[in-house]
Amino acid sequence: GAVVSQHPSWVICKSGTSVKIECRFLDFQATTMFWYRQFPKQSLMLMATSNEGSKATYEQGVEKDKFLINHASLTLSTLTVTSAHPEDSSFYICSARAVWTFRTDTQYFGPGTRLTVL
Amino acid sequence: TQLLEQSPQFLSIQEGENLTVYCNSSSVFSSLQWYRQEPGEGPVLLVTVVTGGEVKKLKRLTFQFGDARKDSSLHITAAQPGDTGLYLCAGGNSGGSNYKLTFGKGTLLTVNP
Repeated sequence: GAVVSQHPSWVICKSGTSVKIECRFLDFQATTMFWYRQFPKQSLMLMATSNEGSKATYEQGVEKDKFLINHASLTLSTLTVTSAHPEDSSFYICSARAVWTFRTDTQYFGPGTRLTVL
Repeated sequence: TQLLEQSPQFLSIQEGENLTVYCNSSSVFSSLQWYRQEPGEGPVLLVTVVTGGEVKKLKRLTFQFGDARKDSSLHITAAQPGDTGLYLCAGGNSGGSNYKLTFGKGTLLTVNP
């Protein structure tokens, strides 16, 4: 299986500051990456999808100017939460799509980043 | 919009009991994936099923994809405390550059010793 790493694993910041989360795909190249947020004991909510070399596509209700996504290469994607506020506190998880064979595609997830905004 | 209804949402059982988690949809999916997530960690892939009627076994876990590729189930035999976690089903479309996973709401399983 593929390995996805995220950094940092947790971060605490003051309201109004910006936070960058990195997601690296270690075993193979990820043409499509996804960013999710998750609240306690709830399922994952897709925030945006990014294809390498293209602008990210954001889900309805997600502010693209607040959550900046950069799919810099086939092995790196970053999510920057700009001017963070307490309501942005959440668990952020990146994921990448791997296409092994025809019709057998799978998403692999990073370990997540816990963001707490004071 | 594709939706996946996952049930039950919460399940608390004793060690040794069997359980089944269901995911149902009115939409057809090209693949169905099951994940297990522990607190503070990302989801870990358990299995991917792609063929209607497909059954896969992973030790005490049995996964089934419906014939019409609209539903799936996860059956755990003789549950153990180590099985505790959030189980998520997710359906994939075959939309090329528009590919995305649709997640169920999750089943929070607690296995008591």
